Formats: sequence, structure tokens, C-alpha cells
Amino acid sequence: AQSVTQPDIHITVSEGASLELRCNYSYGATPYLFWYVQSPGQGLQLLLKYFSGDTLVQGIKGFEAEFKRSQSSFNLRKPSVHWSDAAEYFCAAIFTGTASKLTFGTGTRLQVTL
Amino acid sequence: KAGVTQTPRYLIKTRGQQVTLSCSPISGHRSVSWYQQTPGQGLQFLFEYFSETQRNKGNFPGRFSGRQFSNSRSEMNVSTLELGDSALYLCASSLDSYYEQYFGPGTRLTVT
Repeated sequence: AQSVTQPDIHITVSEGASLELRCNYSYGATPYLFWYVQSPGQGLQLLLKYFSGDTLVQGIKGFEAEFKRSQSSFNLRKPSVHWSDAAEYFCAAIFTGTASKLTFGTGTRLQVTL
Repeated sequence: KAGVTQTPRYLIKTRGQQVTLSCSPISGHRSVSWYQQTPGQGLQFLFEYFSETQRNKGNFPGRFSGRQFSNSRSEMNVSTLELGDSALYLCASSLDSYYEQYFGPGTRLTVT
């Protein structure tokens, strides 16, 4: 089955430290890939997307993600985390043939210590 | 542009009742998708509407239904509510299939 995996349920980083959140998708044709962020009680905000082309994509709030076909991965990175980045992060994919259906990972909760 | 709006934001219903949730997409977006978010099951796709037609459907029982109006606004209905229907229901809009989706703030439904 087509799936998205986020291996880390919870990550804690210190403010100012770098961050990498992992995401893998099931094998097959490259899906459209997305990262969303959700603050408590809120909806999802789109951070960035990958459709094709340059494998390093830039998003909002200083986030970037790198697509690696050989590893079926789409990891999210930020060079220096701010306390306001504490939230839950979801990797999602639209697989070929599923049109508008986003398949989400289980999410990674980011805690930022001061 | 105004974002995706959802009403109401919070709702408390009793088992067996039915509920209707509303979603207004971003202006110009014709595709509206609905998702259910629960702690146990995570984010799950319910269905998608485009130009007033249901174009895609997830694995939910027939108690979950929706519709879309000519102005692209969408409603979702859940009949015969069960305790397990308690969730955050999220609506997302996009230009069309395979485009990025923008989410509303959600409707928090509690079934007692």
C-alpha cells in the first residue's frame, strides 16, 4: 500500500540548533510531496512542496527539504530553530492515480528548549 | 486572498444525532477535500469534490457524506453520530488535483 512514514514521533532540540525531520514514502513512482505544520488546535499550514525538478526546495519560515529518489525520502531541515517552531510536523504525499488524496505520515512533534 | 474558512469551529453533539459542517474555499479554488484527524488514526482522507461532483472517496462508512455548491463551498454531513466520530474535521482547497492543498482551521466535533 502507498504510505508515508515519519520514524520520529517526538524530537527535542535546543533553540538555535539545527533540525532535520525524516520522511520516507513507499516505493513506486515519485509522488508529489509536502510538509505541513500544525500548532495546537489549529489547521495545517503548508511549509513547502516538491513536484519535480530541483531536489532541494525552499519553503516558508526558513525551512527547506531535500528529495532523494534513491532513498525514497523527503527530509525537512532548518539550520537554526526558534522557540516558535515548536509544533507538529506532517509529511504528506499525493501518489499517482490518487488525484487530490493526501496521504499523511503520523507526524513528528517538535519540542524546542530554551 | 482570504484563506479557507470553516464553520462552526466547535460542536458538541449527542450519539445518534446528525451534523453538518461547512467549508468555504479560497477564491478561485474548485477542489475541496475533507479530512478527519484523530489521535488514534491520524489524518485520514474522507472525500474530494470538484465542480459539484464527488471525485474521490476515502474508506469511511456511508454515514459520512458531502456536497459542493456552484460557488465551490462545501458541506460535510455525518448522520447517526457515534462516539468514535469525535475528531477534528479539516477542509482543504486547491486549484485542482495534484496541486497543493490549503487547510482551514478545522471544526472540532465532540460526540457525547
